[in-house]
Amino acid sequence: NAGVTQTPKFQVLKTGQSMTLQCAQDMNHNSMYWYRQDPGMGLRLIYYSASEGTTDKGEVPNGYNVSRLNKREFSLRLESAAPSQTSVYFCASSNEKLFFGSGTQLSVL
Amino acid sequence: KQEVTQIPAALSVPEGENLVLNCSFTDSAIYNLQWFRQDPGKGLTSLLLIQSSQREQTSGRLNASLDKSSGRSTLYIAASQPGDSATYLCAVYEGSYIPTFGRGTSLIVHP
Repeated sequence: NAGVTQTPKFQVLKTGQSMTLQCAQDMNHNSMYWYRQDPGMGLRLIYYSASEGTTDKGEVPNGYNVSRLNKREFSLRLESAAPSQTSVYFCASSNEKLFFGSGTQLSVL
Repeated sequence: KQEVTQIPAALSVPEGENLVLNCSFTDSAIYNLQWFRQDPGKGLTSLLLIQSSQREQTSGRLNASLDKSSGRSTLYIAASQPGDSATYLCAVYEGSYIPTFGRGTSLIVHP
């Protein structure tokens, strides 16, 4: 079982560039999440999807968009990257128990 | 709004000690509580999930307890080893789909 797979693992962007972080899970989970983790700030929820076809804002949604493509995949898009979006991004999925991907380290210069 | 606090924020102990990490939450109407481990530069690994009807869960040298009425959970690590060095986070689940995380306890076990 691969669990939760995130790509890419590392990315460097210039301010204003766009990119999409991909996430897929093979556990048939209904709920999927995107978090960012910053030093001293803990984990903060960006967006979540309670089930296929639904998405909702979390604590820090500004500057991000998401797509729940199907039950397996949940992508996070940065339309115009800003230095404040430099962070480590984690995708997670859950059917009661939460499982995390290995993370994407993003730097915006 | 649910708030989750983990104390202490950091802990450094010699190898072999038995440890207790604390997690407290403000709203006792929770469904589940989950403990995670995070190694530097890595994702979160699930350690234990305690359902609201349970009082504890055990896995190897780890034991997690849950007292909903007092809003507390503890993670007990027996006979600590240097390989236990990591950050430990707890997350509580209420009626929504969104878990609330604590900031974590950073543990160093030195030989």
